[in-house]
Amino acid sequence: GAVVSQHPSRVICKSGTSVKIECRSLDFQATTMFWYRQFPKQSLMLMATSNEGSKATYEQGVEKDKFLINHASLTLSTLTVTSAHPEDSSFYICSAWEYGYTFGSGTRLTVV
Amino acid sequence: AQSVAQPEDQVNVAEGNPLTVKCTYSVSGNPYLFWYVQYPNRGLQFLLKYITGDNLVKGSYGFEAEFNKSQTSFHLKKPSALVSDSALYFCAVRASGGSYIPTFGRGTSLIVHP
Repeated sequence: GAVVSQHPSRVICKSGTSVKIECRSLDFQATTMFWYRQFPKQSLMLMATSNEGSKATYEQGVEKDKFLINHASLTLSTLTVTSAHPEDSSFYICSAWEYGYTFGSGTRLTVV
Repeated sequence: AQSVAQPEDQVNVAEGNPLTVKCTYSVSGNPYLFWYVQYPNRGLQFLLKYITGDNLVKGSYGFEAEFNKSQTSFHLKKPSALVSDSALYFCAVRASGGSYIPTFGRGTSLIVHP
């Protein structure tokens, strides 16, 4: 079946630094990638939809300049959290459509 | 607009008993419906989907769900619960045409007691 590989699984960074999260589709081409944020014991919050070769579409209330999304190829999408602050600490998950939604394993970001 | 309702935050069931996790939806046109399971600090794992065809869908780990168009429901069921089934379950919907963006329910925590 379709696999989305997400790295890193955990990252701790200092406040003010930037962190990049990668999602790769391993055995299919992902024209579109969805990026979610999940708070403890809560549902998925869609942050943005990235499309290969074009600008990402951000959901209302999501800061484009803080959460930079790049989808440069059909198999790679990245989310960069810039100038991270403790309130950005969360669980970030990517997903792509291939006859169903396939999810990455998630990235636990902790900003100290 | 599309929406999903999972009316129960938590479902408790004894091991060996049948379980049901409820989901109702609203969408324009024909729905694509999905169930996912999430274990702590992990991504979502696919359980089953309804796209078209038989209303009773069988999925992974012995789970099944029945698409009921008149009641706009897609409840997840399993005949005999295992302690290892304890996890967070998400129902999702998207319209068969148009945007690929899914809408997820808020999740239901399933706790299976030994």
